[in-house]
Amino acid sequence: DIMMTQSPLSVAVTPGESASISCRSSKSLLHSNGITYLSWYLQRPEKSPQLLIYQISNLASGVSDRFSGSGSGTDFTLKISKVETEDVGIYYCVQFLEVPLTFGSGTKLEIK
Amino acid sequence: EVQLVESGGGLVKPGSSLKLSCVASGFTFSSYGMHWIRQAPKKGLEWIALIYYDSSNKYYADSVKGRFTISRDNSKNTLYLEMNSLRSEDTAMYYCAKDPLFDYWGQGVMVTVSS
Repeated sequence: DIMMTQSPLSVAVTPGESASISCRSSKSLLHSNGITYLSWYLQRPEKSPQLLIYQISNLASGVSDRFSGSGSGTDFTLKISKVETEDVGIYYCVQFLEVPLTFGSGTKLEIK
Repeated sequence: EVQLVESGGGLVKPGSSLKLSCVASGFTFSSYGMHWIRQAPKKGLEWIALIYYDSSNKYYADSVKGRFTISRDNSKNTLYLEMNSLRSEDTAMYYCAKDPLFDYWGQGVMVTVSS
């Protein structure tokens, strides 16, 4: 199984500042078709997760452009610019390269 | 508007069975694979099963393989998860999610396994 490792476990951010979350996979997520199957999700408190970014850096429909993704192979980063109170929650990366699909353990974003 | 609505959860004893449903609307259900994902209390997300759009392929996490069965009825726009031999560690919120990319999720249904 592909292991997904996120860091940090939690981050506290002042509104208006930026935050970065790292995700590493135990195997390259680059498929032979040239697509890298790495996505990011946000689970707000008491809510279902929502898709933020897919294939490393593609913003999902309706998602603020304050969110951006980067990386390649096994190392990926989610950046949140100008953090707002509505960004509070737990962020998860997930690999879609092969089953079993696997999630990172999550990074909790809090507001200072 | 895409909607996924789960039902069928509840409190059951270890060793019991339960069948979850997920009714889909707002998209062509028969054209998309579907997933079940669960979240134990205060824990992270765990993918547990995938079914192709035409039921031709099904995949399971090792933690549920042989005990859980994913199925679908495209005529009813409904996804199912039949859970047998339930254990305390199966206690979780269960979500259905649309393929690809889990781009839509249901609100979740709680399953509690306790004596």
